[in-house]
Amino acid sequence: GENVEQHPSTLSVQEGDSAVIKCTYSDSASNYFPWYKQELGKGPQLIIDIRSNVGEKKDQRIAVTLNKTAKHFSLHITETQPEDSAVYFCAASNQRYTGNQFYFGTGTSLTVIP
Amino acid sequence: SAVISQKPSRDICQRGTSLTIQCQVDSQVTMMFWYRQQPGQSLTLIATANQGSEATYESGFVIDKFPISRPNLTFSTLTVSNMSPEDSSIYLCSVGGGGNQPQHFGDGTRLSIL
Repeated sequence: GENVEQHPSTLSVQEGDSAVIKCTYSDSASNYFPWYKQELGKGPQLIIDIRSNVGEKKDQRIAVTLNKTAKHFSLHITETQPEDSAVYFCAASNQRYTGNQFYFGTGTSLTVIP
Repeated sequence: SAVISQKPSRDICQRGTSLTIQCQVDSQVTMMFWYRQQPGQSLTLIATANQGSEATYESGFVIDKFPISRPNLTFSTLTVSNMSPEDSSIYLCSVGGGGNQPQHFGDGTRLSIL
């Protein structure tokens, strides 16, 4: 099955700086890669996703890059703000088949220091 | 995206008892998923619940411990049976996935076993 590794496990940045979280996956059949943000007391919320036919996607201060050859993808947050502090999870899935499992990384606890 | 409501949001239970967690979605969905998130950990899939059929359990999870019902296309329950302190976790319901679409999560049930 798929194995998703995520680094770093914790990350502290000064407000206004950039944050980068990296994930690797093992199954070359995976073709869909969402990122989730989980705030304290809440469930994971989708913040951005990327499909395997795209190398990069951006949504305001958030961007995701995908390198299919190397089997890794990264989340980039620019101009970080205190409200970006949360736990972030990457995931990988083979979405060719309905209901295929999402495999989650181990999470990154991001702290943005005002 | 679908709005997912879970009940209860949290509970404290005595060991040896059972608790049923409810998941209600505001639209009809084919597949619903139940995850466990142990403290500070990632999401682990317990089972996939299709309406009208038996739930499919992942390795390490059994129906006797985690019975699931899926009576219609908007509702599911997960029961945590004969609870022990090791069952203290967040239990999350999700829907979606398939066709390069994300899964969407409820806010979870925070369960503590004394």
